[in-house]
Amino acid sequence: HLQLLESGSGLVKPSQTLSLTCAVSGDSVSSGAYSWSWIRQPPGNGLEWIGHISHSGTIRYNPSLKSRVTISGDKSKNQLSLRLTSVTAADTAVYYCARTERIHNFFDPWSQGILVTVSS
Amino acid sequence: SYELTQPPSVSVSPGQTAIITCSGDELGAKYVCWYQQKPGQSPVVVMYQDDKRPSGIPERFSGSNSENTATLTISGTQPMDEADYFCQAWDSSLVFGGGTKLTVL
Repeated sequence: HLQLLESGSGLVKPSQTLSLTCAVSGDSVSSGAYSWSWIRQPPGNGLEWIGHISHSGTIRYNPSLKSRVTISGDKSKNQLSLRLTSVTAADTAVYYCARTERIHNFFDPWSQGILVTVSS
Repeated sequence: SYELTQPPSVSVSPGQTAIITCSGDELGAKYVCWYQQKPGQSPVVVMYQDDKRPSGIPERFSGSNSENTATLTISGTQPMDEADYFCQAWDSSLVFGGGTKLTVL
């Protein structure tokens, strides 16, 4: 049974760096059938794709966030990570990780999500 | 950048058919998927590749995609279907629609 569990700071100060980790159990981040994604959702708003990392380490980012985002994977720990620099209040959101079906690019399943608040 | 447009809200009576649309330029040439999100929960995929239902999704959910509009149809809508629904497609980047709040009343 696949489980995705995020961890990281729930409160980040403006201009600092948001860092999150998603631990995967029940599947391998090295699995060739899937990529692994980060998605966020500001409170009361819609969804925004942040980016994904493939089993081979290929990474794609949302162009609107590309200059501030780094996604990485650790096969030995079976986890993926997200770093978002120079955060502002606009980055306050629930952050999800999700397994991504590579051909049709749909997310299943999603993690439970972690609320990250940017505030001084 | 590519945009997907959904109506903010749709209302339907129990047992009736709910139709949720998602519009985008030449959307019919792309694969669309749909997510259901209930309050306080993570999204769940209810349709992928335009009209494919994942295992565990009731048959009352169906999808289509043609020209500039993709449609999620819920036949015999039940109160448990009340949720936000988001469409998603891939252009040069991955894009979500703004979401539609389905009210069953």
